[in-house]
Amino acid sequence: QVQLVQSGAEVKNPGASVKVSCETSGYTFTAHYIHWVRQAPGQGLEWMGWTNPKSGDTKYSETFQGRVTMTRDTSTSTFYMELKRLTSDDTALYFCARGSPVGGSRRPSDYWGQGTLVTVSS
Amino acid sequence: DIQMTQSPSSLSASIGDRVTVTCRASQGISTYLAWYQQKPGKVPELLISAASSLQSGAPSRFSGSGSGTDFTLTITSLQPEDVATYYCQQYDTAPRTFGQGTKVEIK
Repeated sequence: QVQLVQSGAEVKNPGASVKVSCETSGYTFTAHYIHWVRQAPGQGLEWMGWTNPKSGDTKYSETFQGRVTMTRDTSTSTFYMELKRLTSDDTALYFCARGSPVGGSRRPSDYWGQGTLVTVSS
Repeated sequence: DIQMTQSPSSLSASIGDRVTVTCRASQGISTYLAWYQQKPGKVPELLISAASSLQSGAPSRFSGSGSGTDFTLTITSLQPEDVATYYCQQYDTAPRTFGQGTKVEIK
């Protein structure tokens, strides 16, 4: 079965960086884009960007441009999202989610990771 | 960026009521519209894709409709397990924007 398993909760100081991982299984790693979505406490869902698992190409929301880097490791079927220069506004639950098939038609995110809580506090 | 506007932001209805949530896109997105259900403390789950295609395993009391800019999620007979926040999302173009969510409660 398809599974996306994320790394554990993180506590960071303002100004630091955080790197969240998302290990995939149950499907062909290179077959689907992976998206990142975050949710601040008590707030809605915010799309951050995607990674093409075949090429490594990325697309980021303008909101995070310059601060976020999304990568993947084909040897471990794992995706990463690194966010730099953290502030308290970055305190949120970060999700990875499987998206459209590469080279296929557009589809929404059908499988989601369990979420990684990132807390930014001094 | 395409803006997604949901209404209402919250609603309270009785068991068995028909519930309707609307979602409006700031520009046409054909039927590249998904609805997600997020129960308290849980991960969002895909409920409807392509504006009206119900995901396998989702109860048939849920339905979606619309195309272009105006979309609707309907629950024909509200059940206690439907208490959740519902989000629309356009996946026509990046950024894949979400609506602000509609919180559904039982009266």
